[in-house]
Amino acid sequence: DAGVIQSPRHEVTEMGQEVTLRCKPISGHDYLFWYRQTMMRGLELLIYFNNNVPIDDSGMPEDRFSAKMPNASFSTLKIQPSEPRDSAVYFCASSLGVNTEAFFGQGTRLTVV
Amino acid sequence: SQKIEQNSEALNIQEGKTATLTCNYTNYSPAYLQWYRQDPGRGPVFLLLIRENEKEKRKERLKVTFDTTLKQSLFHITASQPADSATYLCALEGNTPLVFGKGTRLSVIA
Repeated sequence: DAGVIQSPRHEVTEMGQEVTLRCKPISGHDYLFWYRQTMMRGLELLIYFNNNVPIDDSGMPEDRFSAKMPNASFSTLKIQPSEPRDSAVYFCASSLGVNTEAFFGQGTRLTVV
Repeated sequence: SQKIEQNSEALNIQEGKTATLTCNYTNYSPAYLQWYRQDPGRGPVFLLLIRENEKEKRKERLKVTFDTTLKQSLFHITASQPADSATYLCALEGNTPLVFGKGTRLSVIA
């Protein structure tokens, strides 16, 4: 398996635009997590899915953020409209269990100008 | 509230010495704790997991201890090498998925 795959690696967008981040988890992993990493706050959990169902989205900062997992091999994180304070590195991770070893993607570095 | 603290943002150490990183937590009772390594521009990579009933765990030059009374884990790298330079994150299991500390950036100087 190629590991967790995220796209794009880098995204620069203007404030107010819609941004969609994509993730392909490792096949056979039942859990998928979206994290955001900044210098100030470190790695924060935004939302996680179990068997494609969102379980906890309490980490999603605002209604501007939404995430979907239409099938076991694909998930998206959408920000609409984007704001400069959303600039961060967004990681997707997958795992066999909710607290087992997490496998992270390379991340998407988002810059909102 | 639940809190995880890693001893310092940055740690510099001379090659060949033992690096010791600290992870302290409050208001948690984790059954286990994990350590990850993160290189610049990359996602965290799992290194070790230690359970609450294990005092110590080793993997090659890495050693992790877990003291549930002190609410602390220590992460040691013996005979450190410049290639060990990275950010090291501890992560705790709780009622929710893994919660990560902010990490300690280790620099091993040749």
